[in-house]
Amino acid sequence: DIVMTQSPDSLAVSLGERATINCKSSQSVLYSSNNKNYLAWYQQKPGQPPKLLIYWASTRKSGVPERFSGSGSGTDFTLTISSLQAEDVAVYYCQQYYSSPLSFGGGTKVEIK
Amino acid sequence: EVQLVESGGGLVKPGGSLRLSCAASGFTFSSAWMTWVRQAPGKGLEWVARIKGQTDGGTTAYGAPVKGRFTISRDDSKNTLYLQMNSLKTEDTAVYYCSSGYGDQLDFWGQGALVTVSS
Repeated sequence: DIVMTQSPDSLAVSLGERATINCKSSQSVLYSSNNKNYLAWYQQKPGQPPKLLIYWASTRKSGVPERFSGSGSGTDFTLTISSLQAEDVAVYYCQQYYSSPLSFGGGTKVEIK
Repeated sequence: EVQLVESGGGLVKPGGSLRLSCAASGFTFSSAWMTWVRQAPGKGLEWVARIKGQTDGGTTAYGAPVKGRFTISRDDSKNTLYLQMNSLKTEDTAVYYCSSGYGDQLDFWGQGALVTVSS
């Protein structure tokens, strides 16, 4: 089974500043036949279901603000919020869908400093 | 517009059973891969089970904590997903979300159904 490890557990960032969240998988989630990383990022606000932000590690879902970006390949990935807005306060999760059982990281709570 | 509406949650005693339903609309349900994800109070997300679409064989997969106790199924004639939960434990207490998307990308989510296992 693939274990997903996120860091940090929480971070506080000033409005307009950059927030960076890391995610590491215990084995590669890069599928060589199509050169795609089976890695997604979700945002969850209090009292709401999660929302898909990024898939294939770096493809932003339609409607997601451009300040959200994903990068990385193989086992190491990053979600970056380039300029933190008040509405970005949430918990962010990475998820691998390379193999079942699918698995999520433990989550990173983003707050305003 | 895609809609996923869970129902069937509630309070059940340890060792008991419960069946969750998820009514889907706004997309071609029969070909969609459908997933259950749960979230214990104050905790993170946990993948529970997935069933592939009809065109992909309808095969199922389960997370280790629920394997052998939970069964995911679908009724494509009713556009409904189910999760039969047996031998429930206190650690199964969680909000259960129904989700769908392209393959295992969880693009759409319901609002969730709360399952509480307590004596």
